[in-house]
Amino acid sequence: RKEVEQDPGPFNVPEGATVAFNCTYSNSASQSFFWYRQDCRKEPKLLMSVYSSGNEDGRFTAQLNRASQYISLLIRDSKLSDSATYLCVVTIYNQGGKLIFGQGTELSVKP
Amino acid sequence: NAGVTQTPKFRILKIGQSMTLQCAQDMNHNYMYWYRQDPGMGLKLIYYSVGAGITDKGEVPNGYNVSRSTTEDFPLRLELAAPSQTSVYFCASGAGSAYNEQFFGPGTRLTVL
Repeated sequence: RKEVEQDPGPFNVPEGATVAFNCTYSNSASQSFFWYRQDCRKEPKLLMSVYSSGNEDGRFTAQLNRASQYISLLIRDSKLSDSATYLCVVTIYNQGGKLIFGQGTELSVKP
Repeated sequence: NAGVTQTPKFRILKIGQSMTLQCAQDMNHNYMYWYRQDPGMGLKLIYYSVGAGITDKGEVPNGYNVSRSTTEDFPLRLELAAPSQTSVYFCASGAGSAYNEQFFGPGTRLTVL
């Protein structure tokens, strides 16, 4: 079983749509959680950290359920510029901040 | 600040050749990492370093070597290149806490033929 698994995608949505990505992790010692964004052929960049209480940044909302070992990302009012691959990322307690990546979910927002 | 820089951007190697991928950061981060990303896949950790003189293996270290003589630089060495090492290589740095962001370089696209 992969340590971090994401929806396989790709997601093709019209502008203005709401889209949700799901992610599960297998290691109960997972300590911190992130969503990174990766544009085509570019490096990953941090989109947002994910906190137990849930957190929102503009049109983006991230949720964490530790009991179910599940993370989600909701994007409201999708823009063309949101087209990218979204990477679910976790770190494990006491492992030097190493990031463990899911395989990514590709989003394509169409006019 | 330049952030994390990597050279070269692209490289084609023949089977059995060797090369060094360069990585440098100017953010005074102690922690540095090398990842590889195969098509359609997430990133996998090759090696990491928690400070000058200290390195450790990640998930996929075979066929690679690293050194960390300064805080700024973290080169990745490929000896005897194989087609399975065709990938995009990303270097990253961070403050080291599990809660801190990692900053990535632009990547090196390597093809081994």
